[in-house]
Amino acid sequence: GAVVSQHPSRVICKSGTSVKIECRSLDFQATTMFWYRQFPKQSLMLMATSNEGSKATYEQGVEKDKFLINHASLTLSTLTVTSAHPEDSSFYICSAVTAGDTQYFGPGTRLTVL
Amino acid sequence: GESVGLHLPTLSVQEGDNSIINCAYSNSASDYFIWYKQESGKGPQFIIDIRSNMDKRQGQRVTVLLNKTVKHLSLQIAATQPGDSAVYFCAESHRSSYKLIFGSGTRLLVRP
Repeated sequence: GAVVSQHPSRVICKSGTSVKIECRSLDFQATTMFWYRQFPKQSLMLMATSNEGSKATYEQGVEKDKFLINHASLTLSTLTVTSAHPEDSSFYICSAVTAGDTQYFGPGTRLTVL
Repeated sequence: GESVGLHLPTLSVQEGDNSIINCAYSNSASDYFIWYKQESGKGPQFIIDIRSNMDKRQGQRVTVLLNKTVKHLSLQIAATQPGDSAVYFCAESHRSSYKLIFGSGTRLLVRP
């Protein structure tokens, strides 16, 4: 089946630093990937759509200068949280769309900002 | 839009019983619906999907029912097992976009 990986699985950083999270489709190519965030006991909230070779499309209320997305290849999208603050602490999850239009999710990255 | 809820509704069932998890979706233009299972600390796992031209689809031990008239989706799990304990989310989408809008989720607890 389609496998999506994320790295790192957990990261702790100091306030004001930047953190990069990688999302990889391991056995398929994905023109489109998505980034979500999830707070405890809540549902997934779509942050942005990552398209290979073009700029990401951000959802309303998501700061594009704070959450930088780069989709440099058909198997890799990265999310960089710039100048992270404690309120950015969350579970970040990516997904990738297969050629058959099914969306598979990564295992998530737990970000804790001190 | 964002689905917010501080307290997930919980469904508690006896092992071996059937479970029914319900979801009301918001957009009448949505034409693709998916159920995901999420275990603690993990990403959502695809369970089953259904397109709007169908009202029922069956998988292994799972059935999804779609009622477009009342914008209602349900997931039926037969012979529920302890490994089915998780949070279940429905999601809706439109064929013109891969963007998923997630429901607020239901926690399924399976009693041994």
